Order: sequence, then C-alpha cells, then structure tokens
Amino acid sequence: AQTVTQSQPEMSVQEAETVTLSCTYDTSENNYYLFWYKQPPSRQMILVIRQEAYKQQNATENRFSVNFQKAAKSFSLKISDSQLGDTAMYFCAFMKPGGNQFYFGTGTSLTVIP
Amino acid sequence: DAGITQSPRYKITETGRQVTLMCHQTWSHSYMFWYRQDLGHGLRLIYYSAAADITDKGEVPDGYVVSRSKTENFPLTLESATRSQTSVYFCASSLGTSWETQYFGPGTRLLVL
Repeated sequence: AQTVTQSQPEMSVQEAETVTLSCTYDTSENNYYLFWYKQPPSRQMILVIRQEAYKQQNATENRFSVNFQKAAKSFSLKISDSQLGDTAMYFCAFMKPGGNQFYFGTGTSLTVIP
Repeated sequence: DAGITQSPRYKITETGRQVTLMCHQTWSHSYMFWYRQDLGHGLRLIYYSAAADITDKGEVPDGYVVSRSKTENFPLTLESATRSQTSVYFCASSLGTSWETQYFGPGTRLLVL
C-alpha cells in the first residue's frame, strides 16, 4: 500500500518570508501523481499544485513551487513571499492512475505571522 | 454554477440511526469520491464512483453504502451510525481518470452521539 508522510505537524513563517513543507511517500509504482492541497479554516479543500511523476521539471504556480525528487520519493512545497491568507492546513496527496488510489498525508498546519 | 455542494453541512444524530449525506456536482464530472477526515489520519477514501451505476470501495468502506443513479449525485448512507463515524465528510469529483484533479465540496460535519 502507498503511504504519504508529512513529518511537520505545525510550522510558522513570518509574512513575506519563504517556507518549505516536506512530504515523503512510499510506492512501488513508476507512474503516479502528487498533489498539495490547502485547507483553510473554512475547511474547503483547495488544490494548490500538482506534479506528474513522469515529468522531471518541478511544477510551479505563482508563489508555490515544488521540489520533486523521484528517486528519494520526496515532494516538498515551497511557498515564497508568504501571505496571511496562506495560513491553513496543507495536505500532500498521492494518486495512482485509476482514481481509487488516492492517499493523503496527515497534514501540516502552517501559520503565517504578521 | 455552484460546482460541488454537500448537504447538510452539519448533522447530529444518534447511534443506530440511518443518515444520508448528499453530494451534488454541476460539472458533469465522471468520477465522484467520498472521504472522511479525522485527526491523525488525514483524508481517507470511503467509496468512489467512475460513472452512473458504477461504484467501488475505497480504503474504509465498512458501515457505509453509496449509490449513483445520476451522474450529478452521489449520496453516502450510514445504515446504522456508530460513534466512530463521527467525522468530517468530503465529497469530491474529477472529470476523468488518473491525472485529473479532484475538486472538493465544502464538507459535512457529522456528530454521532
């Protein structure tokens, strides 16, 4: 079975600074997809960024970027120029093609300090 | 266009009662999913559906029943609620398979007394 591990239950960062959230996963698959989701206090799950395993180039979305290390099975999220609205729980997720293999980590609670 | 909605948003019930959580999406997405979110476990997949009349079990299906008679609706039923089913339930949908991104509803908080 696939597992997703987020080893940082809580993190904080000063506004405008950069923070990196870590995620590791375990799988024997070669083709898969990785996601970071944000869950603000409203509890709505919001997609932040996704990465296809077959792509070597790291995905970026504005202030959000990932460091995907396939061999190390690592998928960290970097948030640049942190904003107060970035305060939320962040979940790393692994997905195997087919839709029924979608696993989430336990989350990292990020607080942006003004 | 409401996207994906869930009802009720909050529900309190008693042990042994039947409860149905509703999920509705307006995108005509093929896939729909039910997750539960508990502290220390992240989100866990309960059931998913690839299309109308096609459903399959996820990681934690016991105690739950789903149906999908219409593409846009995917209700989740707790046939006889237990305290261990107290959780936040999220419905999600995606357009196709594999690489398609899942879009989540706002969640339903269920408390079983």
